[in-house]
Amino acid sequence: EVQLLESGGGLVQPGGSLRLSCAASGFTFSSYAMSWVRQVPGKGLEWVSVISGSGGSTYYTDSVKGRFTISRDNSKNTLYLQLNSLRAEDTAVYYCAKDRAAVAGTPYNWFDPWGPGTLVTVSS
Amino acid sequence: DIQMTQSPSSLSASVGDRVTITCRASQSIGSYLNWYQHKPGKAPNLLIYAASTLQSGVPSRFSGSGSGTDFTLTISSLQPEDFATYYCQQSYSTPYTFGQGTKLEIK
Repeated sequence: EVQLLESGGGLVQPGGSLRLSCAASGFTFSSYAMSWVRQVPGKGLEWVSVISGSGGSTYYTDSVKGRFTISRDNSKNTLYLQLNSLRAEDTAVYYCAKDRAAVAGTPYNWFDPWGPGTLVTVSS
Repeated sequence: DIQMTQSPSSLSASVGDRVTITCRASQSIGSYLNWYQHKPGKAPNLLIYAASTLQSGVPSRFSGSGSGTDFTLTISSLQPEDFATYYCQQSYSTPYTFGQGTKLEIK
């Protein structure tokens, strides 16, 4: 069974940093791109970033470019999201999700499955 | 960026009803459109990919159609477990974007 489990969320002050992790199991991790998607409380879903299976290709939504960094360790079957220069508007539940293929940003793509999410709260 | 607009934003319906949710893209996206179901406190769940292909394990009462800019998700006969929020998502180009969601509530 494919499983994803996020960790690393918590309360952080504006301007602070946090690193999220997503532990994957049940599939050949390096064969799939992985994405982060977030949901601000009471709002809809927002795609944040994707990384290719090899880790060589990444894409970000504009609002996090230069502040967030996606990475992966295929030897540990783990996906990461480094969050820097955090703002109140980054407060959200962050989900990791498995993409359809190894290539990042391919059009024929969907997210399945998703992890249960980890809450990041940015507040002083 | 491609904007995705769902309608309605919320919907009240009864068990057994047929329900249709619409999703419109700001430009043509071919059939690169996916649908997800999301319940509070749970992981979102893929229902339909590539506009009309039912994900394995998803009940056949769910169906999707459309291409280009206009898409629909139909639930043929609502069951109690279907009350949730539904999102469309385009995968035509990054940034991948979602509709604002349609909250399906019990009448």
